[in-house]
Amino acid sequence: GAVVSQHPSRVICKSGTSVKIECRSLDFQATTMFWYRQFPKQSLMLMATSNEGSKATYEQGVEKDKFLINHASLTLSTLTVTSAHPEDSSFYICSARTGGVTEAFFGQGTRLTVV
Amino acid sequence: AQKVTQAQTEISVVEKEDVTLDCVYETRDTTYYLFWYKQPPSGELVFLIRRNSFDEQNEISGRYSWNFQKSTSSFNFTITASQVVDSAVYFCALSVLKTSYDKVIFGPGTSLSVIP
Repeated sequence: GAVVSQHPSRVICKSGTSVKIECRSLDFQATTMFWYRQFPKQSLMLMATSNEGSKATYEQGVEKDKFLINHASLTLSTLTVTSAHPEDSSFYICSARTGGVTEAFFGQGTRLTVV
Repeated sequence: AQKVTQAQTEISVVEKEDVTLDCVYETRDTTYYLFWYKQPPSGELVFLIRRNSFDEQNEISGRYSWNFQKSTSSFNFTITASQVVDSAVYFCALSVLKTSYDKVIFGPGTSLSVIP
């Protein structure tokens, strides 16, 4: 299947700082990318959906000013957690889909710890 | 609205036992896709299967098999002769996929522990 690369796999940051997570589709053009958050022992919850060149669509309850999503090209989307706090510590996973494919491919995930 | 229910939160089996993970879904759409993913302790999601709503044939892949029953809105997953490496969290998921905006809705997951 297609490959989605997410970087970094783990990051520890201080409270109040910002963290950027990258999601790249390596061998296909991702017209749509999704960002999920997963708290320990819980399911994946969709945070936002982004199409290349457009503003992201955020799910209810997700602060768009805190979780900045940029989908500037067909192979790269970034999620920036601004002014991170310990409660933002979580596992963040991206997935990417191209228009003609019926499934989304997932990155390896990023474990964010805010101290 | 779409919803996926996995009633079994945690299951423990002894190695070599068979185990079935249940999945019940809800959607009003007639065209949809169902998925199973495996999430080992490392965290990455491993794609196992995709099934569209028009294909009710059961599928077998090695020790894995899936039973899709539209009449009961279920898409159950059976592991035969379980192994320790099967220990993971398994997610059933649903997507309508009308457009590229449509998202994959995940069930709560079933944590499977295979005891040697």
